Order: sequence, then C-alpha cells, then structure tokens
Amino acid sequence: EVQLVESGGGLVQPRGSLRLSCAASGITFSRYWMSWVRQAPGKGLEWVANIKQDGSEKYYVDSVKGRFTISRDNAKNSLYLQMNSLRAEDTAVYYCATVSGWLVEYFDYWGQGTLVTVSS
Amino acid sequence: EIVMTQSPATLSVSPGDTATLSCRASQSVSSNLAWYQQKPGQAPRLLIYGASTRATGIPGRFSGSGSGSEFTLTISSLQSEDFAVYYCQQYNKWPPYTFGQGTKLEIK
Repeated sequence: EVQLVESGGGLVQPRGSLRLSCAASGITFSRYWMSWVRQAPGKGLEWVANIKQDGSEKYYVDSVKGRFTISRDNAKNSLYLQMNSLRAEDTAVYYCATVSGWLVEYFDYWGQGTLVTVSS
Repeated sequence: EIVMTQSPATLSVSPGDTATLSCRASQSVSSNLAWYQQKPGQAPRLLIYGASTRATGIPGRFSGSGSGSEFTLTISSLQSEDFAVYYCQQYNKWPPYTFGQGTKLEIK
C-alpha cells in the first residue's frame, strides 16, 4: 500500500520559516518525480513545486520562488519543503504527491496533508 | 500560464442520475488533462488522466472526454459516495501546472 505522510505543519508568524517533510512507503520513491500541492482554506488546489527523481531539476510556482526550496533524500524515502519568509497567503494544507506520466504529468498518489497557518 | 475554468461551480443532481461537469482551458492543452475528486477533509484522488483514461481502481461510471480546450467529466448512475468536489488540471505546459477552481457536486 502506498503511503505518503506529511509532517511539520503548524502555526508560524509572518516572515517566519517552517520545514515540511513527507515520508513515502509502498513505492520505489527514487523512481518518482515528486510535488508539493497546497490548498488554502475553502479554496482550490495550487501546485507549488516539483523535483526530479535525482533532485537535479526543481520547479516552482512564481509566488514562492526565492522563498521555498524543495528537496529530497532518496535514502530516507523523504521529500521536504523549506519555507522561508512566510506570508499570510501561504496559509494552506500542503500535500505531497507523486507525479506520473511520460512527461511528468499528473498527481497519482497523495498524502493526507499538513496544515500551515501563517498568522501573528 | 494556462487558465482552467470549470462550470458550473455547483451542480445538484439526484442519486442514480448522470452528472456532466465541464472544464475549459484558456488555450489548447491537447489531451493533457486530468480530473480529481476531493471529499471533505480528504486529499484529492486521481480519477482520469489523458483526458479519458481512468486511473487504477476508478469505477467505469466515471468517464472523461474532450481535447484541445474543452473537456467533460461524466458520472453516470450517481452513488452517494460520488458527491464531492471535482477539479480538472492541465499538464500540457508546465510550470506551472494549473487547476480549475472546482465543481461541487451535491445531492439534489
């Protein structure tokens, strides 16, 4: 059974930092592109970042460029999201997801999410 | 950035009936479109990719169609567990991947 388990969310003040983790099991983690997707309270889905299997390619949505860093440790079957200079608009549930498809296309396995709240 | 627009925002349908959800892209995405289902308090679940290919384990009552910029998700013989929010997502041109704003399918 595939399991993606996020952790590290919580309440943080504006301009603060937080590091999210995602532990994968039931898949060969090193074979997958991985993503973070977020969902603000009561809103829709927004893709945040992608990372290639070996970590050599990373992509971000414009709103987090320069503030967020995606990384992975294939030896630990883990994905990370370092979030700096947090803003109120970063408040959301953050999901990690595997990305499948020949051209890195769709999100097939998802974690249960971790809530990040940015507030003073 | 490709903008995805879903309609209607809310759709009321009776159990046993058929629901038709629409998704439009601001430019052609070929068949590079996926559909997801999300229930309250849960993560999204992949339903359809390639505009019409069902993901593993997805019942046959879910079908996707369309190409270019117009897409449809059809759910036939609606069951109680099908009432949820549905999102479309394009992956023809990324970054960024973009999602529609969602259609809430509710019980009539």
